[in-house]
Amino acid sequence: DQQVKQNSPSLSVQEGRISILNCDYTNSMFDYFLWYKKYPAEGPTFLISISSIKDKNEDGRFTVFLNKSAKHLSLHIVPSQPGDSAVYFCAASARDYKLSFGAGTTVTVRA
Amino acid sequence: DADVTQTPRNRITKTGKRIMLECSQTKGHDRMYWYRQDPGLGLRLIYYSFDVKDINKGEISDGYSVSRQAQAKFSLSLESAIPNQTALYFCATSGVGRDYNEQFFGPGTRLTVL
Repeated sequence: DQQVKQNSPSLSVQEGRISILNCDYTNSMFDYFLWYKKYPAEGPTFLISISSIKDKNEDGRFTVFLNKSAKHLSLHIVPSQPGDSAVYFCAASARDYKLSFGAGTTVTVRA
Repeated sequence: DADVTQTPRNRITKTGKRIMLECSQTKGHDRMYWYRQDPGLGLRLIYYSFDVKDINKGEISDGYSVSRQAQAKFSLSLESAIPNQTALYFCATSGVGRDYNEQFFGPGTRLTVL
């Protein structure tokens, strides 16, 4: 049973607008969360992360929000750019050096 | 040069054949991982190793085996390939310290079993 769920397989957004990607988890032992970005024919690359002691982390155009009580996190991309078109994976860790991944959300940024 | 490399990048094989996928890293990390990616399922952990003498099964290890030949090398074997092992395979590494949760991925191997 997947412990990390990304319920939206795809997202289409206009260039310049906000992209919001959502992720839910079920394991209450998870205390560190990461977002990875993947282009075709490449491996996933780390984008941004957040510890469970925080509720927000920002890095340039990317912000991750964590709601521990709801076991929910989201990634905001503002403004969206054509180069942001990729698959985004949510991942979580329970301090055991392993990551559990969601199924991914394919983002398409329209010009 | 890439920090995590995988060979081959693409492979087509037949049911019942033995195949090995190789991973090498120059990041000096102790921890290495093998994942497979399937559409709609994301990345699932096959095996992981925290040092040369440590090998652990992940969530989907059946039908696979691994070998940690050195700190920098971690290979994945399919002893008798079957069609449902057709997938994209990724190797990853992680280090210690503040960012120990972050894993660094290779470019992947696309495996097709006919």
